[in-house]
Amino acid sequence: SQQGEEDPQALSIQEGENATMNCSYKTSINNLQWYRQNSGRGLVHLILIRSNEREKHSGRLRVTLDTSKKSSSLLITASRAADTASYFCAMAYSGAGSYQLTFGKGTKLSVIP
Amino acid sequence: DAGVTQSPTHLIKTRGQHVTLRCSPISGHKSVSWYQQVLGQGPQFIFQYYEKEERGRGNFPDRFSARQFPNYSSELNVNALLLGDSALYLCASSLSSTQYFGPGTRLTVL
Repeated sequence: SQQGEEDPQALSIQEGENATMNCSYKTSINNLQWYRQNSGRGLVHLILIRSNEREKHSGRLRVTLDTSKKSSSLLITASRAADTASYFCAMAYSGAGSYQLTFGKGTKLSVIP
Repeated sequence: DAGVTQSPTHLIKTRGQHVTLRCSPISGHKSVSWYQQVLGQGPQFIFQYYEKEERGRGNFPDRFSARQFPNYSSELNVNALLLGDSALYLCASSLSSTQYFGPGTRLTVL
């Protein structure tokens, strides 16, 4: 299976603290993306990191990618109550004209005010 | 610019019925993908369409079908509904690597 695994499944932190979520996958990827989902609605794209990149920043988000270990991490610094959501990593695979994302099961983040 | 739109928002069907879900991509996006998200799980890839042609298909039975129209909008059809088809169905459009998701259609099969 190409499905990724996220760790932890759930995370509860105080506002202002940092939150780290990890993602592992099994086969070589084209790129890896992180998404946020609030209350079972649509997914919001956060950041994309290509297979030849090691680290990427966007605002309070920092993503790392280790292709040798087939793993990625998402760090949210100085968390806010509004960051409460489920976070998913998605591995992008392409080939034979197809491009698809394979999602992990997600990490449910709760930020306590 | 409007994002990806999906209709309807919610839908309740009974076992054995047929359902059609609709998706309008972001203007200029030619690729549309469909995902199924069961409660507590991550989305699972169903189909990708590009320029009205099927480019990819996930591990779903033949009861699931889709098509893309000349204006790049898309429909997902599911026949002979089962209780296990209850899920959030997400549509995503893309221009390149990043996929932009719609709000989803919540399907409940009774």
